[in-house]
Amino acid sequence: KNEVEQSPQNLTAQEGEFITINCSYSVGISALHWLQQHPGGGIVSLFMLSSGKKKHGRLIATINIQEKHSSLHITASHPRDSAVYICASIPLETSGSRLTFGEGTQLTVNP
Amino acid sequence: DGGITQSPKYLFRKEGQNVTLSCEQNLNHDAMYWYRQDPGQGLRLIYYSQIVNDFQKGDIAEGYSVSREKKESFPLTVTSAQKNPTAFYLCASSPNGRGQGSYEQYFGPGTRLTVT
Repeated sequence: KNEVEQSPQNLTAQEGEFITINCSYSVGISALHWLQQHPGGGIVSLFMLSSGKKKHGRLIATINIQEKHSSLHITASHPRDSAVYICASIPLETSGSRLTFGEGTQLTVNP
Repeated sequence: DGGITQSPKYLFRKEGQNVTLSCEQNLNHDAMYWYRQDPGQGLRLIYYSQIVNDFQKGDIAEGYSVSREKKESFPLTVTSAQKNPTAFYLCASSPNGRGQGSYEQYFGPGTRLTVT
């Protein structure tokens, strides 16, 4: 059974700090998503990756397939980055693109 | 604008009543999904459909039913058999087929259901 674990569960930072959220998973995967959920509940996909590294603005996502580990980095954090960040994997053995989700990391960035 | 719509955003029902949550997409995606989210827990898959007129149970299908009569629509019925129906429900869709593009998943805004 695929398990996805995130750390930390909660993270509080000061504006401008560099932030890292970690995700580990237990089985081989086709791809991994990083999602952002704001207090209203809607979810936005930030990245989907299956190898290497992707960058979008101040956000960077990396994945190490051998170690079954991914990280999401936020540079120069801002209060508007406050949200829940969710890691979700697509295990190799599943049909279609069924996702297995981590429990999320609640990020609060204070001004 | 292409996207996924869910309505309503908030829904209130009395215990014992069935309720149907709407999910519509105009992305021409083959696959659609229903997830449930409870406070402090990760999203869990209720049902999914990879093609019209076909659907499969997810991890927590008991007390729910779905239909997929049209490609763009995947309504979820929360029946009176669902013991703890109060939750946040998210619908998602993805292209089907091969390649990296098929792994993209797009989410609707969600429906918060409260049953009293």
